[in-house]
Amino acid sequence: QKEVEQDPGPLSVPEGAIVSLNCTYSNSAFQYFMWYRQYSRKGPELLMYTYSSGNKEDGRFTAQVDKSSKYISLFIRDSQPSDSATYLCAMSAVAGNNRKLIWGLGTSLAVNP
Amino acid sequence: EPEVTQTPSHQVTQMGQEVILRCVPISNHLYFYWYRQILGQKVEFLVSFYNNEISEKSEIFDDQFSVERPDGSNFTLKIRSTKLEDSAMYFCASSGSSGVQFFGPGTRLTVL
Repeated sequence: QKEVEQDPGPLSVPEGAIVSLNCTYSNSAFQYFMWYRQYSRKGPELLMYTYSSGNKEDGRFTAQVDKSSKYISLFIRDSQPSDSATYLCAMSAVAGNNRKLIWGLGTSLAVNP
Repeated sequence: EPEVTQTPSHQVTQMGQEVILRCVPISNHLYFYWYRQILGQKVEFLVSFYNNEISEKSEIFDDQFSVERPDGSNFTLKIRSTKLEDSAMYFCASSGSSGVQFFGPGTRLTVL
């Protein structure tokens, strides 16, 4: 089983739709969960960061972590064409100073005007 | 807003040549990382660096790779003898005590 699995899509939605993006993982040691947005040939840009289980909201974005199911989600409300990008989940275990991130493949999202 | 910067944005080299990729992390960050992303594949961890030494390295980070913090601001990745399969985007990242990593824009390495 792969450590982090993420459906690559592509996902195409109309402007204003609610978007749901998900990742599953196998390593129960993961404690830090992140969502990054990546535009073509650019670096990942941090969107949301969550420690352990629970929800976190920031504007139109909500991140959810369910450690019992090893499942994380990112919801985008009122999606805009500028949200069109690849969304990557990443996670890490607590291991002293080492915080290497393990990544999903990324989901390609297109929001159509 | 502070950001991680990387140079060059694109490097083309011949197989067997040495390349040095440069990064300037966010100034008060203590942890530094290199990742790479081959086109169409996952981002992969290469190495983490703290307190002037490697904290962890992946299987990819073999003897042809090295990292260095030559002064108080730069962080470099050297590939001694490039191979075709080293062609990828290379991302530098840095983090503070929170562990949240901020990424640079990447260097696209093309090995011919």
